[in-house]
Amino acid sequence: KNEVEQSPQNLTAQEGEFITINCSYSVGISALHWLQQHPGGGIVSLFMLSSGKKKHGRLIATINIQEKHSSLHITASHPRDSAVYICAVLPLNYGGSQGNLIFGKGTKLSVKP
Amino acid sequence: EPEVTQTPSHQVTQMGQEVILRCVPISNHLYFYWYRQILGQKVEFLVSFYNNEISEKSEIFDDQFSVERPDGSNFTLKIRSTKLEDSAMYFCASSEPSGRLSEQFFGPGTRLTVL
Repeated sequence: KNEVEQSPQNLTAQEGEFITINCSYSVGISALHWLQQHPGGGIVSLFMLSSGKKKHGRLIATINIQEKHSSLHITASHPRDSAVYICAVLPLNYGGSQGNLIFGKGTKLSVKP
Repeated sequence: EPEVTQTPSHQVTQMGQEVILRCVPISNHLYFYWYRQILGQKVEFLVSFYNNEISEKSEIFDDQFSVERPDGSNFTLKIRSTKLEDSAMYFCASSEPSGRLSEQFFGPGTRLTVL
């Protein structure tokens, strides 16, 4: 059972294109993270959000809590955006003091010049 | 900009050997985590740590695993008797004192290869 589903699994785009990566989840959550994993393996946190929309440079993340869905958008994509983008959710916690992230399988993005 | 660091970047060991993976979290962070990613698979939670004790652990984190904060800066993951299936990338992360809803900052990972 996959609690976090991402689509598409793989995405190839031309430089300059507008990109959308989707994340759906089945559990109640406190927050949702978008992460970027570089080819060497390192993980960078892009956004953490629990409602609405956040923007950082060319990246925009939105979340709809009622529909259990989030999207990551990249405007004016560039080859350096090529990476794996991972959605991870922090489940609602019913008493513990800490929570663990549940990760999606990631979307591999390749932006061609 | 402060960052989480991990050493070594790559560890090769023989099956049955003990390994210690080291992490230096961001200095004012109080919540620490270990995750692993088997090649080609998704990242999985192992354990979270706060106030010198384990807060949560997953089914993966069995008796062969332990974590420790031996001093004010390091956070370690020990695997007592490594198995082939322990080969993976291990990520450490830390977050601020505001806890669960704080953004987690990840280290670059340690690639563990068990032969």
